[in-house]
Amino acid sequence: GAVVSQHPSWVICKSGTSVKIECRSLDFQATTMFWYRQFPKQSLMLMATSNEGSKATYEQGVEKDKFLINHASLTLSTLTVTSAHPEDSSFYICSASTSGSPDSYEQYFGPGTRLTVT
Amino acid sequence: GQNIDQPTEMTATEGAIVQINCTYQTSGFNGLFWYQQHAGEAPTFLSYNVLDGLEEKGRFSSFLSRSKGYSYLLLKELQMKDSASYLCAAMDSNYQLIWGAGTKLIIKP
Repeated sequence: GAVVSQHPSWVICKSGTSVKIECRSLDFQATTMFWYRQFPKQSLMLMATSNEGSKATYEQGVEKDKFLINHASLTLSTLTVTSAHPEDSSFYICSASTSGSPDSYEQYFGPGTRLTVT
Repeated sequence: GQNIDQPTEMTATEGAIVQINCTYQTSGFNGLFWYQQHAGEAPTFLSYNVLDGLEEKGRFSSFLSRSKGYSYLLLKELQMKDSASYLCAAMDSNYQLIWGAGTKLIIKP
C-alpha cells in the first residue's frame, strides 16, 4: 500500500525558533499533499493544500508567512513553523493523494509530528 | 455552513456490535469517509461511500444515505484493538474533506 513518512516524529523547540517538518510519499508520486493540525481531543484541521511545483493554498485563518509550505517534488513536501510559540504546540499530520480529483480520493496519512514549543 | 456531527464517545463490550452514526451538511457532496485513529497516531482509511447503501469490508461496514445526510460505521465482533477514535469526513464540491471531531470508542472486556 501507499506509505507516507514524516520526520521528525516529535520535536521540542524553544519559543522563537523555527522548525521544519518533512513529509514524504515513499512508494508513489503525490501530486497533492495536505497539512493538518490536530489539538488534543479535537478533529483534524486542514491548514493548507499543496500541489507539486505551485504555491500552497492556505485555509482561512492560517498565516502563510508563519507556516511555510514547500512542495518541491512529487515525493516531498515540507512545513516550516517559523518563530514558533507555545500555542503552536500541536500534532501536525500530512497526507498525500495521487490527484486532486475524487478518482483518487483516498488520502494516505503520515504518522504525524508532535511539536512542543517551550 | 458545513458541519459534521458524530457522538463524542461510545462504550461497547468485546465481541459485541457497535454502530457509530454521522450526519453531515456540506456544500455539494463527493463522498463520505471513515478513518480510524489510535491515540497519538495518524488516521488510517477505513471506508469510502459515495452511493447510497451498505459497503461491507470484513468486520467493518459503512452505510450512506445521501438524501438524509447520514452515514454510520458498523463494527462487528469487537476486539480490544478496536479501541480508537473514529473520524467521519465528508468531501464537499471542492473535493475538500470536512472532518468530524471523532467518536472515541472504548471497548470493555
